[in-house]
Amino acid sequence: GQQLNQSPQSMFIQEGEDVSMNCTSSSIFNTWLWYKQDPGEGPVLLIALYKAGELTSNGRLTAQFGITRKDSFLNISASIPSDVGIYFCAGRSMEYGNKLVFGAGTILRVKS
Amino acid sequence: DAGITQSPRHKVTETGTPVTLRCHQTENHRYMYWYRQDPGHGLRLIHYSYGVKDTDKGEVSDGYSVSRSKTEDFLLTLESATSSQTSVYFCAIRGGGGEYDTQYFGPGTRLTVL
Repeated sequence: GQQLNQSPQSMFIQEGEDVSMNCTSSSIFNTWLWYKQDPGEGPVLLIALYKAGELTSNGRLTAQFGITRKDSFLNISASIPSDVGIYFCAGRSMEYGNKLVFGAGTILRVKS
Repeated sequence: DAGITQSPRHKVTETGTPVTLRCHQTENHRYMYWYRQDPGHGLRLIHYSYGVKDTDKGEVSDGYSVSRSKTEDFLLTLESATSSQTSVYFCAIRGGGGEYDTQYFGPGTRLTVL
């Protein structure tokens, strides 16, 4: 089964809107990573989080490591057309042998 | 850019034929990984390597083997390809270190098994 539950599965947003997505699990994680994948390319690392409660920004992107260590959130502010793509969360947990496990992805589509 | 290349980028093959995918890195990373990506599943680990000749299985290793005879190259082999192995395959390397490790991905290989 899916170790990470990522939501929403997909979303349409208006250009300029803020976007939120999240990743949850029943297990405790010690690392959360957020990736973006453009069509025909490999995932590109956006933000890495290593401590519970940590809040990290990368331009218009902000991600947080949930305080319970079982979830993480990614926010995109003032979305633009090039934000289109698939966003993946990934986490590392002792429960999974410290190997990265991935969410199924959030497909982001922007209405121009 | 983590200096990772994959070859071929696209391949179409027939059921029952052997297929080898290559991952090449230029930055001397110790850990390398092979994932497959399928709709609705995200990325799933096939095999990984933690050094030359040191490999281990991942979540979906059945039907796949790997080899690493040099630090820079990690090969994924499908001994007898099946249609269920049609997928996009990504290689990754481990960056950072200790508790701050992360992974960087190559551009992918799209494999179609007819």
